[in-house]
Amino acid sequence: DVKVTQSSRYLVKRTGEKVFLECVQDMDHENMFWYRQDPGLGLRLIYFSYDVKMKEKGDIPEGYSVSREKKERFSLILESASTNQTSMYLCASSIGGGNQPQHFGDGTRLSIL
Amino acid sequence: RKEVEQDPGPFNVPEGATVAFNCTYSNSASQSFFWYRQDCRKEPKLLMSVYSSGNEDGRFTAQLNRASQYISLLIRDSKLSDSATYLCVVNLNTGTASKLTFGTGTRLQVTL
Repeated sequence: DVKVTQSSRYLVKRTGEKVFLECVQDMDHENMFWYRQDPGLGLRLIYFSYDVKMKEKGDIPEGYSVSREKKERFSLILESASTNQTSMYLCASSIGGGNQPQHFGDGTRLSIL
Repeated sequence: RKEVEQDPGPFNVPEGATVAFNCTYSNSASQSFFWYRQDCRKEPKLLMSVYSSGNEDGRFTAQLNRASQYISLLIRDSKLSDSATYLCVVNLNTGTASKLTFGTGTRLQVTL
């Protein structure tokens, strides 16, 4: 079974803090993704990566950055957290190439106060 | 128009009933299709892929109509444990990664 592990289930931070969300997958998948999920809006793609050190913007990259130094790890960074970044954050991975389903981690519920 | 549209529900059905969800997508170049299931406050989990010829997995049947750009999910003999939100997912193959677009989900509540 694919295992995608996110570092925290719940996280509370303050406005202006730099926040790191970590994600690790153990299946040697090429692709990794970060989403946020909000009520009524569904999952929205923030950033994705199809290889080490490669990254591409998703639909809502503003206020976020990512890092992929190793194949198994994909980090999401909130440079200066704001209250509108309070959300559920989901990491996913998939095998390289198109037409592949994604496998999700448990999610991190982030609250910015 | 949203890229992937679903009726949010909720669909309230008794145990043993048959229920069907539809989903429409806007991009005719979409390459692959999936149904995911998401339980309350949990991550989405792949339920099944949707193939052009239609496919079945136990009580679940998925169908694709490319001409009309919709996919469907049929659940037979509903169980209480089927209560969840069902997400319709479409892949527009960018060539570099399987970039999925998610619908906002249809909520199913199966009751006694």
